[in-house]
Amino acid sequence: AQKVTQAQTEISVVEKEDVTLDCVYETRDTTYYLFWYKQPPSGELVFLIRRNSFDEQNEISGRYSWNFQKSTSSFNFTITASQVVDSAVYFCALSEARGKIIFGKGTRLHILP
Amino acid sequence: GAGVSQSPSNKVTEKGKDVELRCDPISGHTALYWYRQSLGQGLEFLIYFQGNSAPDKSGLPSDRFSAERTGGSVSTLTIQRTQQEDSAVYLCASSLFAGSLAGELFFGEGSRLTVL
Repeated sequence: AQKVTQAQTEISVVEKEDVTLDCVYETRDTTYYLFWYKQPPSGELVFLIRRNSFDEQNEISGRYSWNFQKSTSSFNFTITASQVVDSAVYFCALSEARGKIIFGKGTRLHILP
Repeated sequence: GAGVSQSPSNKVTEKGKDVELRCDPISGHTALYWYRQSLGQGLEFLIYFQGNSAPDKSGLPSDRFSAERTGGSVSTLTIQRTQQEDSAVYLCASSLFAGSLAGELFFGEGSRLTVL
């Protein structure tokens, strides 16, 4: 069955600290996609990244980086030198070949000034 | 408009009434999704449409919920005999591709439903 687990419900860090958000997924498919979305206090969902199951290269985009490890079924997200504007709820999501996309319950991140 | 449009943005209804929520996806997007987000909670999958294929209704919580997509474009989510636990934000999203070519989801601003 398709499942996404974000075990960290809420995290608080002081500005400029690094923080890693965990995402563990379950799927029986060999072809699938993983996503991260950000939901700031304003409510709109913002796409951050998409990664397919055949590409295990880590990705870096500015202060954001993603670590995809198929061996542990994890797709973790790290924010380096966090800023107050990073405060949001972050969702990890999984799409199987059938197309259904399910989301984890999200991690609420507080960046304290 | 260029984005996903949802209406109404806010709906207050009495317990037992039926409600219809509308989603107008981005033109040309073949995939359309409905999710429900209760206060402070995650996104709960409801239903997924892909082109002319039969929809994946596996997330609909009860037979009071139904959805249709007409002409491969506009979708309507209907909740019959609403209950207080149906109160949530209902989010619609569309994507150019899905499945093995899954792409970014573009979300609407949501329809906030309050059942009194």
